[in-house]
Amino acid sequence: GEDVEQSLFLSVREGDSSVINCTYTDSSSTYLYWYKQEPGAGLQLLTYIFSNMDMKQDQRLTVLLNKKDKHLSLRIADTQTGDSAIYFCAERGTGGFKTIFGAGTRLFVKA
Amino acid sequence: ETGVTQTPRHLVMGMTNKKSLKCEQHLGHNAMYWYKQSAKKPLELMFVYNFKEQTENNSVPSRFSPECPNSSHLFLHLHTLQPEDSALYLCASSPGVSPTTGELFFGEGSRLTVL
Repeated sequence: GEDVEQSLFLSVREGDSSVINCTYTDSSSTYLYWYKQEPGAGLQLLTYIFSNMDMKQDQRLTVLLNKKDKHLSLRIADTQTGDSAIYFCAERGTGGFKTIFGAGTRLFVKA
Repeated sequence: ETGVTQTPRHLVMGMTNKKSLKCEQHLGHNAMYWYKQSAKKPLELMFVYNFKEQTENNSVPSRFSPECPNSSHLFLHLHTLQPEDSALYLCASSPGVSPTTGELFFGEGSRLTVL
């Protein structure tokens, strides 16, 4: 079945860039997403990329997609303590309502 | 405030109890979802409803019983649960009509502890 994998933890210093990586197995993925979960809250969509794109930039966020290697990354520039959260990678194929998530990467930002 | 409200936020129950989780969305969406979040595991899709009809049941044990009386409300009825069912249960909704980005709108979750 479809699978999404990501490392569980990442620690960076405030002001540095954070890069969170993800791999997925579904070659028919249409949309790929990054969701953010802050403590005590549900997930909130941070950004997404359509499968025919290889890069998307949104202010401090850069998403890179390597469709050949089924690899997605999220770069957060100038990481702040407020960016400390769990970041989930997810993918969705064409049709249907099945969005498959990874286990989430917990980002720690040290002041 | 995401427009998706879950109650209760916390629930402790014994293995022989029967309880229900409730989810309500005020976004006018047509699709609603239950996900299970356990530590260090991928978010697990349990059920999907579109226009009140169940479209996905991800091999969920029968001790979890979903109910979707209308497009705005979703319940998860719980009975004779096991301690390994302790987790955060997340409800989500989406417009449900293609073409969309497929963005899911999540509630804050119901933290379930089974003793």
